[in-house]
Amino acid sequence: NAGVTQTPKFRVLKTGQSMTLLCAQDMNHEYMYWYRQDPGMGLRLIHYSVGEGTTAKGEVPDGYNVSRLKKQNFLLGLESAAPSQTSVYFCASSRGIEGYTFGSGTRLTVV
Amino acid sequence: AQSVTQLDSQVPVFEEAPVELRCNYSSSVSVYLFWYVQYPNQGLQLLLKYLSGSTLVKGINGFEAEFNKSQTSFHLRKPSVHISDTAEYFCAVSDRDDKIIFGKGTRLHILP
Repeated sequence: NAGVTQTPKFRVLKTGQSMTLLCAQDMNHEYMYWYRQDPGMGLRLIHYSVGEGTTAKGEVPDGYNVSRLKKQNFLLGLESAAPSQTSVYFCASSRGIEGYTFGSGTRLTVV
Repeated sequence: AQSVTQLDSQVPVFEEAPVELRCNYSSSVSVYLFWYVQYPNQGLQLLLKYLSGSTLVKGINGFEAEFNKSQTSFHLRKPSVHISDTAEYFCAVSDRDDKIIFGKGTRLHILP
Protein backbone atom coordinates (compact mmCIF):
# COMPACT_ATOMS: atom_id res chain seq x y z
CA ASN A 1 0.00 0.00 0.00
CA ALA A 2 1.84 3.10 -1.26
CA GLY A 3 -0.39 5.70 0.44
CA VAL A 4 0.39 9.15 -0.96
CA THR A 5 3.08 9.46 -3.60
CA GLN A 6 4.55 12.77 -4.73
CA THR A 7 6.62 13.30 -7.85
CA PRO A 8 9.17 14.66 -8.32
CA LYS A 9 11.01 14.66 -5.00
CA PHE A 10 13.39 17.45 -5.96
CA ARG A 11 13.34 20.11 -8.65
CA VAL A 12 15.25 23.25 -9.53
CA LEU A 13 13.50 25.79 -11.73
CA LYS A 14 14.55 29.04 -13.27
CA THR A 15 12.41 32.11 -12.64
CA GLY A 16 9.55 32.17 -15.12
CA GLN A 17 9.56 28.46 -15.89
CA SER A 18 6.49 26.34 -15.34
CA MET A 19 6.06 22.92 -13.80
CA THR A 20 3.50 20.50 -12.44
CA LEU A 21 3.74 18.54 -9.21
CA LEU A 22 1.85 15.28 -9.13
CA CYS A 23 0.19 13.76 -6.09
CA ALA A 24 -1.30 10.28 -6.29
CA GLN A 25 -3.15 8.37 -3.56
CA ASP A 26 -4.34 4.78 -3.59
CA MET A 27 -6.63 4.89 -0.53
CA ASN A 28 -9.78 6.03 -2.32
CA HIS A 29 -9.80 9.23 -0.27
CA GLU A 30 -12.25 11.96 -1.21
CA TYR A 31 -10.22 14.90 0.07
CA MET A 32 -6.82 16.01 -1.16
CA TYR A 33 -4.66 18.99 -0.21
CA TRP A 34 -1.54 20.87 -1.21
CA TYR A 35 0.52 22.61 1.48
CA ARG A 36 3.78 24.47 1.40
CA GLN A 37 6.21 24.38 4.30
CA ASP A 38 8.62 27.22 4.96
CA PRO A 39 10.96 27.64 7.96
CA GLY A 40 9.13 29.18 10.91
CA MET A 41 5.85 29.31 9.01
CA GLY A 42 4.49 25.83 9.57
CA LEU A 43 2.32 24.38 6.83
CA ARG A 44 0.14 26.70 4.81
CA LEU A 45 -2.71 25.43 2.68
CA ILE A 46 -2.44 26.32 -1.00
CA HIS A 47 -5.44 24.58 -2.57
CA TYR A 48 -7.59 21.63 -1.73
CA SER A 49 -10.22 19.37 -3.23
CA VAL A 50 -13.23 17.72 -1.63
CA GLY A 51 -13.85 15.37 -4.52
CA GLU A 52 -13.14 14.55 -8.14
CA GLY A 53 -13.63 17.61 -10.33
CA THR A 54 -13.67 20.08 -7.44
CA THR A 55 -11.01 22.48 -6.18
CA ALA A 56 -10.94 25.33 -3.69
CA LYS A 57 -8.49 28.00 -2.57
CA GLY A 58 -6.61 27.79 0.69
CA GLU A 59 -4.59 30.40 2.58
CA VAL A 60 -1.90 31.07 -0.05
CA PRO A 61 -3.31 30.25 -3.53
CA ASP A 62 -1.71 33.03 -5.57
CA GLY A 63 0.68 31.83 -8.27
CA TYR A 64 -0.63 28.26 -8.18
CA ASN A 65 -3.31 26.31 -9.99
CA VAL A 66 -4.66 22.83 -9.35
CA SER A 67 -6.71 20.17 -11.03
CA ARG A 68 -8.45 17.01 -9.82
CA LEU A 69 -9.56 15.24 -12.99
CA LYS A 70 -9.28 11.81 -11.38
CA LYS A 71 -10.12 10.96 -7.79
CA GLN A 72 -6.69 9.51 -7.10
CA ASN A 73 -4.65 12.40 -8.53
CA PHE A 74 -4.23 16.02 -7.48
CA LEU A 75 -1.95 18.21 -9.60
CA LEU A 76 -0.33 21.46 -8.50
CA GLY A 77 0.87 23.80 -11.24
CA LEU A 78 3.18 26.76 -11.20
CA GLU A 79 2.68 28.75 -14.40
CA SER A 80 5.56 31.20 -13.94
CA ALA A 81 7.82 30.26 -11.06
CA ALA A 82 9.17 32.94 -8.72
CA PRO A 83 11.92 32.71 -6.07
CA SER A 84 9.22 33.22 -3.40
CA GLN A 85 7.86 29.82 -4.39
CA THR A 86 11.02 28.10 -3.21
CA SER A 87 9.63 25.74 -0.58
CA VAL A 88 8.88 22.18 0.37
CA TYR A 89 5.50 21.12 -0.96
CA PHE A 90 3.41 18.46 0.73
CA CYS A 91 0.39 16.69 -0.57
CA ALA A 92 -2.09 15.02 1.77
CA SER A 93 -5.29 13.08 1.46
CA SER A 94 -8.05 12.11 3.85
CA ARG A 95 -11.38 10.33 4.07
CA GLY A 96 -12.72 13.10 6.26
CA ILE A 97 -11.78 14.64 9.56
CA GLU A 98 -10.00 11.54 10.85
CA GLY A 99 -6.65 13.00 9.89
CA TYR A 100 -4.45 13.30 6.88
CA THR A 101 -2.01 10.95 5.22
CA PHE A 102 0.93 12.93 3.91
CA GLY A 103 3.30 12.36 1.05
CA SER A 104 7.04 12.63 1.56
CA GLY A 105 7.28 16.07 -0.01
CA THR A 106 8.77 17.85 -3.02
CA ARG A 107 11.65 20.21 -2.46
CA LEU A 108 11.45 22.99 -5.04
CA THR A 109 14.10 25.64 -5.58
CA VAL A 110 13.47 28.57 -7.91
CA VAL A 111 16.61 30.44 -8.96
CA ALA B 1 -11.49 31.25 10.86
CA GLN B 2 -9.69 28.87 13.14
CA SER B 3 -6.12 29.52 14.21
CA VAL B 4 -3.49 27.66 16.19
CA THR B 5 -0.72 29.04 18.36
CA GLN B 6 2.24 26.96 19.37
CA LEU B 7 3.82 28.94 22.14
CA ASP B 8 7.37 27.61 21.81
CA SER B 9 9.30 27.44 18.56
CA GLN B 10 12.00 25.26 20.15
CA VAL B 11 12.06 23.13 23.28
CA PRO B 12 15.30 21.58 24.58
CA VAL B 13 14.94 18.74 27.06
CA PHE B 14 17.28 16.17 28.54
CA GLU B 15 16.87 12.54 27.57
CA GLU B 16 14.53 10.64 29.90
CA ALA B 17 13.05 13.90 31.22
CA PRO B 18 9.37 14.77 30.76
CA VAL B 19 8.25 17.24 28.12
CA GLU B 20 5.20 19.37 27.39
CA LEU B 21 4.62 21.10 24.06
CA ARG B 22 2.02 23.81 24.30
CA CYS B 23 -0.80 24.51 21.86
CA ASN B 24 -3.70 26.94 22.01
CA TYR B 25 -6.44 27.34 19.45
CA SER B 26 -9.05 29.96 18.70
CA SER B 27 -12.42 29.11 20.16
CA SER B 28 -15.23 27.58 18.18
CA VAL B 29 -18.41 25.72 18.93
CA SER B 30 -16.76 22.41 18.27
CA VAL B 31 -13.27 21.59 17.15
CA TYR B 32 -11.19 18.67 16.11
CA LEU B 33 -7.58 18.75 17.30
CA PHE B 34 -4.47 16.98 16.10
CA TRP B 35 -0.79 16.61 16.75
CA TYR B 36 1.51 15.63 13.91
CA VAL B 37 5.21 14.78 14.03
CA GLN B 38 7.78 15.41 11.33
CA TYR B 39 11.11 13.62 11.58
CA PRO B 40 14.04 15.16 9.72
CA ASN B 41 13.61 15.09 5.94
CA GLN B 42 10.30 13.26 6.13
CA GLY B 43 6.63 14.02 5.73
CA LEU B 44 4.20 14.44 8.61
CA GLN B 45 2.72 11.57 10.58
CA LEU B 46 -0.37 11.70 12.74
CA LEU B 47 0.60 11.39 16.40
CA LEU B 48 -2.85 11.63 17.97
CA LYS B 49 -6.21 13.28 17.53
CA TYR B 50 -9.18 14.49 19.53
CA LEU B 51 -12.55 14.26 17.82
CA SER B 52 -14.89 13.78 20.77
CA GLY B 53 -15.25 11.88 24.02
CA SER B 54 -12.47 11.57 26.61
CA THR B 55 -10.40 14.71 26.90
CA LEU B 56 -7.20 12.71 27.48
CA VAL B 57 -5.99 11.30 24.21
CA LYS B 58 -3.21 8.77 23.88
CA GLY B 59 -1.13 8.51 20.75
CA ILE B 60 1.81 6.65 19.34
CA ASN B 61 5.29 6.51 20.86
CA GLY B 62 4.05 7.19 24.40
CA PHE B 63 2.68 10.68 23.71
CA GLU B 64 -0.61 11.96 25.09
CA ALA B 65 -2.53 15.22 24.94
CA GLU B 66 -5.32 16.75 26.96
CA PHE B 67 -8.15 18.78 25.47
CA ASN B 68 -9.04 21.67 27.75
CA LYS B 69 -12.06 23.51 26.40
CA SER B 70 -12.11 26.26 29.01
CA GLN B 71 -8.48 27.16 28.29
CA THR B 72 -8.74 26.36 24.56
CA SER B 73 -5.59 24.29 24.84
CA PHE B 74 -4.38 20.94 23.58
CA HIS B 75 -0.93 20.43 25.11
CA LEU B 76 1.19 17.43 24.17
CA ARG B 77 3.08 15.52 26.85
CA LYS B 78 5.45 12.63 27.23
CA PRO B 79 6.72 11.42 30.63
CA SER B 80 10.18 10.39 29.42
CA VAL B 81 11.69 11.40 26.09
CA HIS B 82 14.18 9.48 24.01
CA ILE B 83 16.71 10.69 21.48
CA SER B 84 14.48 9.27 18.75
CA ASP B 85 11.80 11.83 19.66
CA THR B 86 13.91 14.56 18.08
CA ALA B 87 11.53 16.05 15.52
CA GLU B 88 9.25 18.95 14.78
CA TYR B 89 5.76 18.74 16.23
CA PHE B 90 2.74 20.46 14.74
CA CYS B 91 -0.54 21.16 16.46
CA ALA B 92 -3.53 21.45 14.13
CA VAL B 93 -7.22 22.30 14.38
CA SER B 94 -10.33 22.00 12.28
CA ASP B 95 -13.96 22.95 12.83
CA ARG B 96 -15.11 21.57 9.51
CA ASP B 97 -14.66 18.27 7.86
CA ASP B 98 -12.67 19.39 4.87
CA LYS B 99 -9.49 21.14 5.97
CA ILE B 100 -7.06 21.44 8.85
CA ILE B 101 -5.10 24.51 9.94
CA PHE B 102 -1.60 23.92 11.27
CA GLY B 103 0.45 25.78 13.84
CA LYS B 104 3.97 26.94 13.08
CA GLY B 105 5.59 23.97 14.77
CA THR B 106 7.77 23.27 17.78
CA ARG B 107 11.21 21.76 17.38
CA LEU B 108 12.00 19.26 20.13
CA HIS B 109 15.71 18.94 20.85
CA ILE B 110 16.75 16.02 23.03
CA LEU B 111 19.93 16.66 24.98
CA PRO B 112 22.14 13.71 25.99
